[in-house]
Amino acid sequence: DAGVTQSPTHLIKTRGQQVTLRCSPKSGHDTVSWYQQALGQGPQFIFQYYEEEERQRGNFPDRFSGHQFPNYSSELNVNALLLGDSALYLCASSPPTGGTGEQYFGPGTRLTVT
Amino acid sequence: DQQVKQNSPSLSVQEGRISILNCDYTNSMFDYFLWYKKYPAEGPTFLISISSIKDKNEDGRFTVFLNKSAKHLSLHIVPSQPGDSAVYFCAASEDSGYALNFGKGTSLLVTP
Repeated sequence: DAGVTQSPTHLIKTRGQQVTLRCSPKSGHDTVSWYQQALGQGPQFIFQYYEEEERQRGNFPDRFSGHQFPNYSSELNVNALLLGDSALYLCASSPPTGGTGEQYFGPGTRLTVT
Repeated sequence: DQQVKQNSPSLSVQEGRISILNCDYTNSMFDYFLWYKKYPAEGPTFLISISSIKDKNEDGRFTVFLNKSAKHLSLHIVPSQPGDSAVYFCAASEDSGYALNFGKGTSLLVTP
């Protein structure tokens, strides 16, 4: 049973460019959340997708957008990249029944903006 | 503002002893609390969780205690093993399956 997968593993972009990160949830999971983890910090919630709609959003600018596909996979898009967008981007999936709220994380995409 | 706080950046414990990691929160709407472990170059791994209707949850060597009146939770690892060395994150959410609010993490080192 494959866990959460993310691609690419690493990415280097130039300030002002746009980037798309991809995530496939764990089998049987229908909800995908995205987090940004800066160095030395805990993950910060960006947004969550459920039934192909953005269900909840954290305190991130509109430059951050996403999409969920019918197969529950998801994309995170960041426009007009800033140096401060350099971080580890984590995708997490969760099952239809909430349980105690556990989310299962992928290995992350390391984005470097130069 | 940081709603979940882990005030100890690091902790060192001898193998076989108890490790106690602490976490405080400010949002009284939080109902679910989770602990994650993270190794370098990997995503966080779910360890154990507790809902606000309980004050203790145990899973093998890991026990989480919740004190709602003090807005405090702790993770006990007994006995600690060298493989437990990692960064531990405390997280909380207002509703099951929704946004997780993380602390900054505590780096645990278990020495032989």
